[in-house]
Amino acid sequence: GAGVSQSPRYKVAKRGQDVALRCDPISGHVSLFWYQQALGQGPEFLTYFQNEAQLDKSGLPSDRFFAERPEGSVSTLKIQRTQQEDSAVYLCASSLGATGSSYEQYFGPGTRLTVT
Amino acid sequence: QQQVKQSPQSLIVQKGGISIINCAYENTAFDYFPWYQQFPGKGPALLIAIRPDVSEKKEGRFTISFNKSAKQFSLHIMDSQPGDSATYFCAASPTGGFKTIFGAGTRLFVKA
Repeated sequence: GAGVSQSPRYKVAKRGQDVALRCDPISGHVSLFWYQQALGQGPEFLTYFQNEAQLDKSGLPSDRFFAERPEGSVSTLKIQRTQQEDSAVYLCASSLGATGSSYEQYFGPGTRLTVT
Repeated sequence: QQQVKQSPQSLIVQKGGISIINCAYENTAFDYFPWYQQFPGKGPALLIAIRPDVSEKKEGRFTISFNKSAKQFSLHIMDSQPGDSATYFCAASPTGGFKTIFGAGTRLFVKA
């Protein structure tokens, strides 16, 4: 079956531009996570959705970062006025259950964002 | 604040040898400890996971050892193969929580 897909796979943005990153989770998965992975580091939690509800956004680095999942399936991570420090791989993961820690997270391939 | 510390940063093992990666955590509220494997250009994939009510879990060549009192857990890869060459991340998440905390990763290279 289809896994988690993300688009675009690569994005180059000039500093100050806005970008939108898309995540298509596995069909029927209740939970959706966004992570930021800097080069040579582990993923860092950004935000969590249970269906369409954003239950935790404590990891978003600034108010330039915004995520939504309006219909409880596809999610978009938007970064406004991109800065060089935003350059990273953005990973999306989904899991079947409603309690994030109790179910396996399936990761997408990520979107590599480079801000020039 | 780094809540999950992972070592070593990199590891080279001969084919057929045992690879050992260690992690330590600080937050006693953590109750789920997965290990992920990541290949270049791919997202992490769950390898094996453990909860603190057991001290060891084995799946094929992969074993997690868990020491609750020391707040440490480790991954052992037996009979390491070149195909195991990847980056491995330990992680931890709290009871009923959503925020999974990852270690910094260990780059494993298995020499043929």
